[in-house]
Amino acid sequence: NAGVMQNPRHLVRRRGQEARLRCSPMKGHSHVYWYRQLPEEGLKFMVYLQKENIIDESGMPKERFSAEFPKEGPSILRIQQVVRGDSAAYFCASSHPQMGRQETQYFGPGTRLLVL
Amino acid sequence: GQNIDQPTEMTATEGAIVQINCTYQTSGFNGLFWYQQHAGEAPTFLSYNVLDGLEEKGRFSSFLSRSKGYSYLLLKELQMKDSASYLCAVRSAYSGAGSYQLTFGKGTKLSVIP
Repeated sequence: NAGVMQNPRHLVRRRGQEARLRCSPMKGHSHVYWYRQLPEEGLKFMVYLQKENIIDESGMPKERFSAEFPKEGPSILRIQQVVRGDSAAYFCASSHPQMGRQETQYFGPGTRLLVL
Repeated sequence: GQNIDQPTEMTATEGAIVQINCTYQTSGFNGLFWYQQHAGEAPTFLSYNVLDGLEEKGRFSSFLSRSKGYSYLLLKELQMKDSASYLCAVRSAYSGAGSYQLTFGKGTKLSVIP
């Protein structure tokens, strides 16, 4: 049973380019969360999605960042016109809805984005 | 707002016991998680507490006191492979947006020495 998959593992972009990060949740999981981890900082929540729906994007920067989780295929975090401050590790987590019970998020290996 | 505090670094000896503390202030509470993260890798789920008390799972135990906003992770019989960062994360009460987002501390970097 494969875990959460993310690709690419490492991504290098020049300022102004676009970055696309992909996340395939664990089999049977329909909830996806994206987090960002800056050096020496904790993981920060960005967005929570279910299939074809953005449920909570309260942690997303207002501009240049978008996320989707289509009916078919992986969830994608898209960063347009990247700047050096976007350099970070981006982690995806997935969970299986469990009403009234523990809902544990399982993390992928992350994508390390470096903006030159 | 949310605030989670844990020590930045700790060092312990192989075979010993170490306790990593976490204090939190949150606007709502719906569970506390501990994750282990080796450098350059994904956080790995260790434990979950939602009620007061101790949860034991092999060499790892986690304790929660909701009235004190306090948790600790206890690692017994330390092994060299336990050298990693340990992340404390709080899940807020189920929000109107339907989100179960986690708020993380900055992590405690544990070094196990021979």
